[in-house]
Amino acid sequence: NAGVTQTPKFRILKIGQSMTLQCTQDMNHNYMYWYRQDPGMGLKLIYYSVGAGITDKGEVPNGYNVSRSTTEDFPLRLELAAPSQTSVYFCASSSRTGGYQPQHFGDGTRLSIL
Amino acid sequence: QKEVEQDPGPLSVPEGAIVSLNCTYSNSAFQYFMWYRQYSRKGPELLMYTYSSGNKEDGRFTAQVDKSSKYISLFIRDSQPSDSATYLCAMSAGAGKSTFGDGTTLTVKP
Repeated sequence: NAGVTQTPKFRILKIGQSMTLQCTQDMNHNYMYWYRQDPGMGLKLIYYSVGAGITDKGEVPNGYNVSRSTTEDFPLRLELAAPSQTSVYFCASSSRTGGYQPQHFGDGTRLSIL
Repeated sequence: QKEVEQDPGPLSVPEGAIVSLNCTYSNSAFQYFMWYRQYSRKGPELLMYTYSSGNKEDGRFTAQVDKSSKYISLFIRDSQPSDSATYLCAMSAGAGKSTFGDGTTLTVKP
C-alpha cells in the first residue's frame, strides 16, 4: 500500500528554470493538498483540490500552478524558480467522507534554487 | 496574528519525563484538533485527533482541548527516545483544509 508518493525526492534548480513536482495517491481520496515547509516552520498551504478538475489557492500560491485531471494525480508546477522557493514541499490527501479525515502525507521533495 | 500559535521549543527532556506540548488558536470555527508527529526527513503523520472540547487518551499520549480558552495540549507520559520528533498541532473547521502550527521539536535523551 503505497499511500502518497512524491517525486523527485531532491532537486537543485537554477534561478529562472521551471519544473513539475509530481504527487500521486492510491487511496481514492478526493481531497489533495500541496504544502511548503521552511526550516523551523510549520506547513503553509500552497494549493488544494476537492476533486478532479477543481483546484483553489491556499495561503501562499504565488509562483506556483496546479492541475488535477485525475483523482490520483496532483502535480505542482514552478514556472520561474526563485531563491525564495527553496523549501521542502509536501503533498497530502484526505477522504471527503463525513467529519474529520486525517491527511496522509508523502515524504516530501527537497528543492534548492541557486 | 497567526490563527494558530504553537509553543516554539525546542524541548530536551530525559527519558521517562512527562512532556507537555501546547497550542493556542483564534478561530472559533475550529472543531477538529489534531496532533501530527514528523520524524526527520519524513512527512507528518497523524498521532491523535479530538472533536470539540475534552480529553482523549491513547497509550502514553493524552490530547486535551479547552475551547473556552482556545487552548490545546498534548501530554506524553514516560517519554522514550523514539518520541524524539517534531510535533505539529493542526486545526480544522471540518472536512478539508487544516491550519498548522509551526511545530515543536522534542528530543528525549536516554
